[in-house]
Amino acid sequence: KAGVTQTPRYLIKTRGQQVTLSCSPISGHRSVSWYQQTPGQGLQFLFEYFSETQRNKGNFPGRFSGRQFSNSRSEMNVSTLELGDSALYLCASSDHRGPGTGELFFGEGSRLTVL
Amino acid sequence: AQSVTQLDSQVPVFEEAPVELRCNYSSSVSVYLFWYVQYPNQGLQLLLKYLSGSTLVKGINGFEAEFNKSQTSFHLRKPSVHISDTAEYFCAVSDLGDQGGKLIFGQGTELSVKP
Repeated sequence: KAGVTQTPRYLIKTRGQQVTLSCSPISGHRSVSWYQQTPGQGLQFLFEYFSETQRNKGNFPGRFSGRQFSNSRSEMNVSTLELGDSALYLCASSDHRGPGTGELFFGEGSRLTVL
Repeated sequence: AQSVTQLDSQVPVFEEAPVELRCNYSSSVSVYLFWYVQYPNQGLQLLLKYLSGSTLVKGINGFEAEFNKSQTSFHLRKPSVHISDTAEYFCAVSDLGDQGGKLIFGQGTELSVKP
């Protein structure tokens, strides 16, 4: 089985721009979660989608949004980029439907640099 | 609110020596517990998880962890480390009542194995 695929792997943006990151989960997985990883804040949960519905959301401003398509692929968008948005954005997929018993399978991440 | 504290940010150790990475959590509800490993420029990989049952959990690559409910701890151990174990290790919890996909991570412990 192919793993979780994230694109692009690296990107550079300037303040005020917006960015869209893509995540293709493992085939058959219907849950996709997004995390932000920074040296200062560590790993922080952004949101989780299951069957095209957002089931859970972390404490991030509304500039951070996401969606999931019928094929379970997911995108996250960050608008009006700030320097502090520079981070590794990790996507994880899972086949669980209920409470967090399932293993999360992580992609290699998209490294965003905001100048 | 849940929180996870990894008591050591860096742990240097010589090859073939034993190692323990410490993790304490705080939660008002029952939780599931996880250890993930992150190699440089990669995503996270699950080492092991505690959902219920035996408090001693065995994972991949010779790692094991012990859940101690009274001390709210979930320390990770390996009796003999290899150079290839050099990586960052993350302890995480999820709420049994959560809809899934949301993990609260500790700040990470950087394990450095020296020859």
